[in-house]
Amino acid sequence: GNSVTQMEGPVTLSEEAFLTINCTYTATGYPSLFWYVQYPGEGLQLLLKATKADDKGSNKGFEATYRKETTSFHLEKGSVQVSDSAVYFCALSDENGGSQGNLIFGKGTKLSVKP
Amino acid sequence: KAGVTQTPRYLIKTRGQQVTLSCSPISGHRSVSWYQQTPGQGLQFLFEYFSETQRNKGNFPGRFSGRQFSNSRSEMNVSTLELGDSALYLCASSLEDRGWETQYFGPGTRLLVL
Repeated sequence: GNSVTQMEGPVTLSEEAFLTINCTYTATGYPSLFWYVQYPGEGLQLLLKATKADDKGSNKGFEATYRKETTSFHLEKGSVQVSDSAVYFCALSDENGGSQGNLIFGKGTKLSVKP
Repeated sequence: KAGVTQTPRYLIKTRGQQVTLSCSPISGHRSVSWYQQTPGQGLQFLFEYFSETQRNKGNFPGRFSGRQFSNSRSEMNVSTLELGDSALYLCASSLEDRGWETQYFGPGTRLLVL
């Protein structure tokens, strides 16, 4: 079945450091890919998305490119801020629905940014 | 426009009890999905409702059930609570059936089972 694997955390960076959070997926068909962010004590917020191969999603300085050849959707940001500290989830749409639902999430990667 | 609201925000129950959680979607949204978030299993899909019909169900036992009302508000119920049901339960709404690109999440209900 469809699945998402993202790098284990936690990730600790200094302010202004470069961020990469790896995400790879297994899927049949052509799913859409997403990054969600969860700040402490809050629900999930959609950070960015890509709906087809080679699409680049971007928002708030974060970027991710849908790479079909490597089945990856790595999240990057050139210069992180303390306010970026949160848990980041990679997800894909389960086009076939089935028993796994409409979004399949990775385990999440906790990012801590130190001043 | 108000976001997705979930009530209650926090809940403590004991094993064997049952619980009902509520979700009010964004005005005009007709699809509501529920997810369970635990440290061990991560985020797992429970079920999705669209126009009062369950369209999709995750791999959870029958103790977990839900429904959607004509105003799109949704409830989920867990009967005979177990310790492992302790989790953050998230609700998400979208305009359309399987509208992943426009899915908005609520803040969640944190359930603790003692």
